[in-house]
Formats: sequence, structure tokens, C-alpha cells
Amino acid sequence: KAGVTQTPRYLIKTRGQQVTLSCSPISGHRSVSWYQQTPGQGLQFLFEYFSETQRNKGNFPGRFSGRQFSNSRSEMNVSTLELGDSALYLCASSLPWTSYNEQFFGPGTRLTVL
Amino acid sequence: DQQVKQNSPSLSVQEGRISILNCDYTNSMFDYFLWYKKYPAEGPTFLISISSIKDKNEDGRFTVFLNKSAKHLSLHIVPSQPGDSAVYFCAASAESSGSARQLTFGSGTQLTVLP
Repeated sequence: KAGVTQTPRYLIKTRGQQVTLSCSPISGHRSVSWYQQTPGQGLQFLFEYFSETQRNKGNFPGRFSGRQFSNSRSEMNVSTLELGDSALYLCASSLPWTSYNEQFFGPGTRLTVL
Repeated sequence: DQQVKQNSPSLSVQEGRISILNCDYTNSMFDYFLWYKKYPAEGPTFLISISSIKDKNEDGRFTVFLNKSAKHLSLHIVPSQPGDSAVYFCAASAESSGSARQLTFGSGTQLTVLP
């Protein structure tokens, strides 16, 4: 079974630009979550989507947004990039009706903002 | 306010010895705890979990202990192997009606197992 895939793996942007990251979950997984990882900060939860609906949102500004498609693939968008947005962005998928949220992560997209 | 804390950013252990990674949490609503392992350039991989109704869960060389009164959990790796060298993240979740369980992660501990 293929794992979670994320594209692109690496991205370099400049301040003020916008970026879109893509995530394809494991087949059959309908929940997709996004996290930001920065050095010393662990994984900070961005948002979670299920059946094309955002169910949960972390404490990030409105410049961070996402969506999910009918095939469960998800995208996240960051507008008006800032230097502090440089991070590893991780996507995770999980089965729809598990009681506990065991999530399976993709390799991440390394975003560098210059 | 960090609800899940891993106070040791790094730990070095000799091969064959025990590795003990610690994690503290503040939210008493957390009822499920997980450990993830992360290698460079890869996403975190689920390692082991424990429900709050238990105080110990074992899987091969990995054992997780939960002390609810102290709001503390630990991951024991015995014996430690060089391939265990990675960043270990502790995560916790709480039941949330009508919504998915959201994982709250600690900042990670870099484990280095020396041959």
C-alpha cells in the first residue's frame, strides 16, 4: 500500500509570494492533517480535513489555508510569505472512524522563504 | 503554552544500554498518548501508543509507561541499537465531540545511540 505522498519535496520562495503544497493520503484514508515543523518547536498543528470539510484548526494566521478534494487529496496554501514561514510542512492521513488518531505522515515539503 | 513538553532536546546512549525518553503534559483531558520516531528527510513514523486506562504498553524493545498522577510518560528502548538514532516525538490527544482527535506534539528529543 502506497504511503502518504507530498509534492513538491523542496521549495524556495521569496517574501510576499504565495505557495501551494499538495498531499495525497493513503488509499482509504479520508482524514488529512497538516503540521508545521520548525527547529525546537516540534510539530505545530495547522488544520485537519475530513470529507472536504475543515474539522479542526490550529493557531495560525489566516494566511494559512487549505482544502480537500473529493478524492481526499489535500492542498495547503500560504499567502504573503514571511521569513518565519520557512519550515518543514508535514501532511498526515488517518482512517475515518478510528477512536484514536493514529496518523501516518508523509515525508514533508521543505519550504525556504528568502 | 506548551501542553506537551519534552525537556531534553538530546540524549546519547551506548549501544546495548537502555534509552529513556521523557515527556510531560499539562492537559488533564489528554487520554491517548503516542510516540513517533523521525529520521532526517522523512516524516515521523508511529512507534507505540498507550491509552490512559493503562500504565504500561510493550512492543518488542519499546515500552511506554504512563503516570497519570504525575502527568508524565516515558519511552524505554532496550537494548538500544544504532538504528534507533532519530528524533523522538511524544504526542497526546483528547476526545473531542463531533471532531477528529487533534494530536499535540512535544518538541522532540534527538536520540543518539553510540556503537
